[in-house]
Amino acid sequence: SQQGEEDPQALSIQEGENATMNCSYKTSINNLQWYRQNSGRGLVHLILIRSNEREKHSGRLRVTLDTSKKSSSLLITASRAADTASYFCATDAVTSGSRLTFGEGTQLTVNP
Amino acid sequence: DTAVSQTPKYLVTQMGNDKSIKCEQNLGHDTMYWYKQDSKKFLKIMFSYNNKELIINETVPNRFSPKSPDKAHLNLHINSLELGDSAVYFCASSQDLVAGLYEQYFGPGTRLTVT
Repeated sequence: SQQGEEDPQALSIQEGENATMNCSYKTSINNLQWYRQNSGRGLVHLILIRSNEREKHSGRLRVTLDTSKKSSSLLITASRAADTASYFCATDAVTSGSRLTFGEGTQLTVNP
Repeated sequence: DTAVSQTPKYLVTQMGNDKSIKCEQNLGHDTMYWYKQDSKKFLKIMFSYNNKELIINETVPNRFSPKSPDKAHLNLHINSLELGDSAVYFCASSQDLVAGLYEQYFGPGTRLTVT
């Protein structure tokens, strides 16, 4: 079974609105990362949050981690059309043997 | 400067053929990976190498053989291609072996189509 599952699978919003994407996972983790993938491109790292952290910010991005619920959320504030992309969470499970396991991704569309 | 590069970007070939994808990183990283992304965008690790040594070998058919001539290069050779091999293959690198501790840098991907 997959370690990370994103919710929703697809999200469509207007420019200027906030976008929230959620990630749930099944086993204990060391760290969790979020990546963005623009259409036809490779993944780009956004932010890493460690298991002992609860919240992290980077520019317009805010990531939270709740290890008791085994979930994380990515908030993009004041979205722009350029934020249109797929967003993936990736977990480094305690028993993973040095590998990242990616979720299925959320496709975000920001309409101008 | 391109950090992680892959060639070719597109590869169209017939069933039964053998093909290779090349990857190079100029970041000075010790660890490199191959991932396969299917049509539903699900990304799954195939292999990882650390300083030319194979670390992760997921349940991948023997037709797939990675080779790392040096720590800056990781190539993927695929024998006897099948329709199910059609996907986008990504190369990635990270500073060190502990996957979750460091961000991974991805190449642009190679879209393989087997007809």
